[in-house]
Amino acid sequence: GQNIDQPTEMTATEGAIVQINCTYQTSGFNGLFWYQQHAGEAPTFLSYNVLDGLEEKGRFSSFLSRSKGYSYLLLKELQMKDSASYLCAVRDGDYQLIWGAGTKLIIKP
Amino acid sequence: ETGVTQTPRHLVMGMTNKKSLKCEQHLGHNAMYWYKQSAKKPLELMFVYNFKEQTENNSVPSRFSPECPNSSHLFLHLHTLQPEDSALYLCASSQDSASGGNEQFFGPGTRLTVL
Repeated sequence: GQNIDQPTEMTATEGAIVQINCTYQTSGFNGLFWYQQHAGEAPTFLSYNVLDGLEEKGRFSSFLSRSKGYSYLLLKELQMKDSASYLCAVRDGDYQLIWGAGTKLIIKP
Repeated sequence: ETGVTQTPRHLVMGMTNKKSLKCEQHLGHNAMYWYKQSAKKPLELMFVYNFKEQTENNSVPSRFSPECPNSSHLFLHLHTLQPEDSALYLCASSQDSASGGNEQFFGPGTRLTVL
């Protein structure tokens, strides 16, 4: 079967660094996405990885290891506005997006 | 503002009602999607339209009926729903549905409550 696993909830402190992990088992792989979703709002695109390695975009970075079926989203210099759910999604061999249940990130002062 | 709008934002309906959700995208995209989002569950893909043709129907009950009159508009017609259908219904669009790196742009969703 197809499966995406990510922690349900994480807590971090303002100004700190947090890493949100995502592991996947899918029938084929055509890229991995990270989205951010604030409560009551639409998910918004953060990053896309299709090759192994680290992609950096400002305070956010995303890493992919295809051999391990593993990705993480790294958030640096956390701000209160980063409190949100972070969704991991994998495009499988049929180009369908398989979604994780999301990680709720709580930032404390 | 993502360029994808949805109406209504909130909807309360009885099990015998008929209602429709509307989605419009202003991005010039060719693919549109309906998702169901329930608390603490992964997004569930319901329907995909690519160039106005339905390409996916993920075993969705017939009480949900999609309509895509053109590449910019997508409807979800609802009838005789069940309380377990209460959820956030999200519309999304992308350049097309088959390319690997095409991100999806989401609308704000319709919060549906079935009484």
